[in-house]
Amino acid sequence: DADVTQTPRNRITKTGKRIMLECSQTKGHDRMYWYRQDPGLGLRLIYYSFDVKDINKGEISDGYSVSRQAQAKFSLSLESAIPNQTALYFCATSDRIGLAANTGELFFGEGSRLTVL
Amino acid sequence: GNSVTQMEGPVTLSEEAFLTINCTYTATGYPSLFWYVQYPGEGLQLLLKATKADDKGSNKGFEATYRKETTSFHLEKGSVQVSDSAVYFCALSVPGGYQKVTFGTGTKLQVIP
Repeated sequence: DADVTQTPRNRITKTGKRIMLECSQTKGHDRMYWYRQDPGLGLRLIYYSFDVKDINKGEISDGYSVSRQAQAKFSLSLESAIPNQTALYFCATSDRIGLAANTGELFFGEGSRLTVL
Repeated sequence: GNSVTQMEGPVTLSEEAFLTINCTYTATGYPSLFWYVQYPGEGLQLLLKATKADDKGSNKGFEATYRKETTSFHLEKGSVQVSDSAVYFCALSVPGGYQKVTFGTGTKLQVIP
C-alpha cells in the first residue's frame, strides 16, 4: 500500500458543488501539504499543516479550505467549485524540521484529478 | 523570494542519447536542491538531492551537481531509456522556519526508441 493515499483519484463535478479531497499517510510525518498542478505552472502550494493545530495558507488558498482531522489525515475542500479549479491535486508529507535527516524532502500521493464543468 | 527556473520542454530524445535539463535557482540562505520525477499517472517522487555546495546527487544513472557559484543544479544522464520518459521538476528548500519547497515548472522528457 502507498504511504500517502489520496481519494478520490478522479472526480468530475459541476460548478457550485462542494468537493472534498482526502489524504491519509502512514509515514508518521507531522507536516502535510496540498499542492495543485497545472500545465506550465508546476506545483503551487494551497495549504500546509505543521501539526493538527497548526494550519497555514499557501500561495493560492482562495476558494479552498482544509481540515487536519488527525496527524495522519488532511483533507482539502472546495466549498463551491468553479471551472478554473480544474487541476491535478497532490497531497504531500514531510518530516519535522530540526531532525538531522530532514532536508525538506516531500513524499507525494498519486494525485486526485478534479474536473469542474 | 526563492525561485527555480528550468528549461522548458518538451524534450524529445532518441534512446541512448545524452540528457541535460538545466536548472538555476535564486534563494536566501543555503538551500537544499532536489530533482523530482513524475511518471505518467503517478505522483512526484524524489530522484536525487544535494544539500550543500559541490555535492553531487545521483540515482538511476542520473546526476546533478550543486554549483553555488553559478546557482545551478543541472540534471544529466549519459544514456536515456524509453522508461525515463516523464516530467522532471527541479526544486529547492531553505532550512529554518517553514522550510517551504519551491518547484520549477517541470520539463517533460520523451524518449523514443
